[in-house]
Amino acid sequence: DAGVTQSPTHLIKTRGQQVTLRCSPKSGHDTVSWYQQALGQGPQFIFQYYEEEERQRGNFPDRFSGHQFPNYSSELNVNALLLGDSALYLCASSLLTGDTDTQYFGPGTRLTVL
Amino acid sequence: QQQVKQSPQSLIVQKGGISIINCAYENTAFDYFPWYQQFPGKGPALLIAIRPDVSEKKEGRFTISFNKSAKQFSLHIMDSQPGDSATYFCAASPSGSGGTSYGKLTFGQGTILTVHP
Repeated sequence: DAGVTQSPTHLIKTRGQQVTLRCSPKSGHDTVSWYQQALGQGPQFIFQYYEEEERQRGNFPDRFSGHQFPNYSSELNVNALLLGDSALYLCASSLLTGDTDTQYFGPGTRLTVL
Repeated sequence: QQQVKQSPQSLIVQKGGISIINCAYENTAFDYFPWYQQFPGKGPALLIAIRPDVSEKKEGRFTISFNKSAKQFSLHIMDSQPGDSATYFCAASPSGSGGTSYGKLTFGQGTILTVHP
């Protein structure tokens, strides 16, 4: 049973560019949450997707957007990249209607903005 | 009110010792409290989690103690091993399957644990 997978592993972009990160949830999970983890910090919640809709959102600007596909996989898009967007981007999957709140994290995508 | 405060920032223990990490929260809507372990270059991995209806939960060498009135919870790692050296994060979220804020984890700042052989 594959866990949460993310691609790419690493990414280098320049300021002003746009980036798309991808996530496949754990088998059987229907909810995907995205987090940003700056170096030396705890993960910060960006947003969550369920049934192809953004269900809730953290304190991130509109430059951060996402999408969920019918197979529950998800994308995170960041426009007009800033140096401060350099971070590890984590995807977590869970089952919204399950009897547990457990979220399983992927290995992350390391984004460097130059 | 959404913050989770974690201490200490770093911790050094000898092999076989007890590692203790503490967290405090303000938001009384939080009712799910997981601990995650993260190795360099990896995503966080769930260690153990607790809900406020119990004061303690033990899984192997890992124990969570929970004090609802003080809004504090802690992780105890018994018989600490060099392989336990990692960054540990406490987190909290409102629970309730399908609830409005379900799954929105608020993390502490992390504790870097080093276990010397």
